[in-house]
Amino acid sequence: NAGVMQNPRHLVRRRGQEARLRCSPMKGHSHVYWYRQLPEEGLKFMVYLQKENIIDESGMPKERFSAEFPKEGPSILRIQQVVRGDSAAYFCASSPPERGEQFFGPGTRLTVL
Amino acid sequence: KQEVTQIPAALSVPEGENLVLNCSFTDSAIYNLQWFRQDPGKGLTSLLLIQSSQREQTSGRLNASLDKSSGRSTLYIAASQPGDSATYLCAPSTDSWGKLQFGAGTQVVVTP
Repeated sequence: NAGVMQNPRHLVRRRGQEARLRCSPMKGHSHVYWYRQLPEEGLKFMVYLQKENIIDESGMPKERFSAEFPKEGPSILRIQQVVRGDSAAYFCASSPPERGEQFFGPGTRLTVL
Repeated sequence: KQEVTQIPAALSVPEGENLVLNCSFTDSAIYNLQWFRQDPGKGLTSLLLIQSSQREQTSGRLNASLDKSSGRSTLYIAASQPGDSATYLCAPSTDSWGKLQFGAGTQVVVTP
């Protein structure tokens, strides 16, 4: 059973471009969470999704950020018009239908030039 | 708002010593608590999950205790090895659907 997969592992964007981060949960997992780790800061929750539904996006910045988890395919975290302050490691985690333990992917390290 | 504090922030021990990592949280109404390790530049590896109804959980050399009423959890690592060097993160969840709130971590170095 493959673990949580994220791609790309590293992403470089110039200010104003769009960044798309992908997350494939573990097989059989229906819950996806996105967290962000800013340089020299702890991990912060961003959003929680189930298939085709956003359940809690209380940690998402109000503008430029969006997330989806379609019926087919990976979960996508989209950042429009990136700024230098978006440079961070973005982690995805998944958990099984009964929730409980979360398993994390290797992260996507976004660098905004 | 849940505040999670981990003490000490950093710890260096010689190989073979036991490690004691502390985590405190301000909101005791948690559903569960997870301990993770994070290696530099890598993702998080889940170590242990303790449900709110449990007092402790064990896996190999790792043992985690939970005192929910006082808002504390402790991770014990027996007979430390250089491979245990990493940052250890504590993350309680106060939401039924599992949103985790992380402490800043304890950076552990085990010297041969």
